Amino acid sequence: DVKVTQSSRYLVKRTGEKVFLECVQDMDHENMFWYRQDPGLGLRLIYFSYDVKMKEKGDIPEGYSVSREKKERFSLILESASTNQTSMYLCASSLWSGAADTQYFGPGTRLTVL
Amino acid sequence: GDSVTQMEGPVTLSEEACLTINCTYTATGYPSLFWYVQYPGEGLQLLLKATKADDKGSNKGFEATYRKETTSFHLEKGSVQVSDSAVYFCALKNSGYSTLTFGKGTMLLVSP
Repeated sequence: DVKVTQSSRYLVKRTGEKVFLECVQDMDHENMFWYRQDPGLGLRLIYFSYDVKMKEKGDIPEGYSVSREKKERFSLILESASTNQTSMYLCASSLWSGAADTQYFGPGTRLTVL
Repeated sequence: GDSVTQMEGPVTLSEEACLTINCTYTATGYPSLFWYVQYPGEGLQLLLKATKADDKGSNKGFEATYRKETTSFHLEKGSVQVSDSAVYFCALKNSGYSTLTFGKGTMLLVSP
């Protein structure tokens, strides 16, 4: 079974802090993704990566950056956290880019910025 | 651009009732279509998928048929259980792209 793990289930941070969210997958997947999930808005893609050290902006990259130094690990960084970044953050991975490719999700990190 | 529209919830049903959650899409080319489910407190997991027109995906008693003529992929189940209470997301993926386009999700609440 594919396993995608996220470093924290719940996180509380202060405005202006630098925040790191970590995601690890154990199935040698090429692609990794970061989404945020908000009520009424569904899932929105922040960034994704199709290879080590490669990254692509998603729909809402502003205020975020990412790092992928190793194939199994994809980090989301909030350079200076703000209250409007309070959200559920979901990481996902997938094996390849074909049409039938399945994304596998982690359990999510609920981030609160005070 | 690609988009997915699904019915707003919550959908509230009694146990053993029939379920239909509507999903329509707009896309160029020939996308694959997916239903993902999110149980309370968990991440999303794939429920079923279909990769070409007229394909039917099925899993755990749920079914959805890829209808190209109506650009739809409605989720159905003949008899829901309390344990089916979750949020259901319809999504599409175009070949050659890594990313999924999600609908906003439909919450299903099933009461005993």
